[in-house]
Amino acid sequence: DTGVSQDPRHKITKRGQNVTFRCDPISEHNRLYWYRQTLGQGPEFLTYFQNEAQLEKSRLLSDRFSAERPKGSFSTLEIQRTEQGDSAMYLCASSPGGLTNEKLFFGSGTQLSVL
Amino acid sequence: ILNVEQSPQSLHVQEGDSTNFTCSFPSSNFYALHWYRWETAKSPEALFVMTLNGDEKKKGRISATLNTKEGYSYLYIKGSQPEDSATYLCAFVGRGSTLGRLYFGRGTQLTVWP
Repeated sequence: DTGVSQDPRHKITKRGQNVTFRCDPISEHNRLYWYRQTLGQGPEFLTYFQNEAQLEKSRLLSDRFSAERPKGSFSTLEIQRTEQGDSAMYLCASSPGGLTNEKLFFGSGTQLSVL
Repeated sequence: ILNVEQSPQSLHVQEGDSTNFTCSFPSSNFYALHWYRWETAKSPEALFVMTLNGDEKKKGRISATLNTKEGYSYLYIKGSQPEDSATYLCAFVGRGSTLGRLYFGRGTQLTVWP
């Protein structure tokens, strides 16, 4: 299967701990996206990479959040000093081109619970 | 912040009923509109990407129309089946950015009863 994969599927952590999520996009896709969904809301944009370059970052992302995509392949999203408000589903997606013509291919997400 | 509104928030229909949902978005600075279906415990799956005013797309029993001048899109499901039960999300791509950001609505949750 060559879909988008995310790891882990679920993460429970205590407030103040650091967590890191991984996303492996579809191999031919040069664009990678992170979104976050909280209960009752649609997915919210966090950040976007084209190859290894981080081209856009939402103002929703505080300094505690950082994302990387070394060598333009997999990506990691790190949250430092987690807070209860960080509890959400974190979705990764990839696409072969721009969003004016191409759809997003999503992973299954990482469900984060901060206690 | 761009507002993308979807209605209704939830919908319950009987198997065989046809149904439709609405997505409203800013008519200015329009680039594209996406529709996704998200079944519980699965990944969101793309249905359509629409760019032209008057566009109509069809995939099986599901179709969508687009009006960019007035800022709305309709999604239609003909003869709903229980497997159509999911949350349907629309998302807007606007000009003036890196074109890497989708603005999602909150979705319409559809339940089809057998």
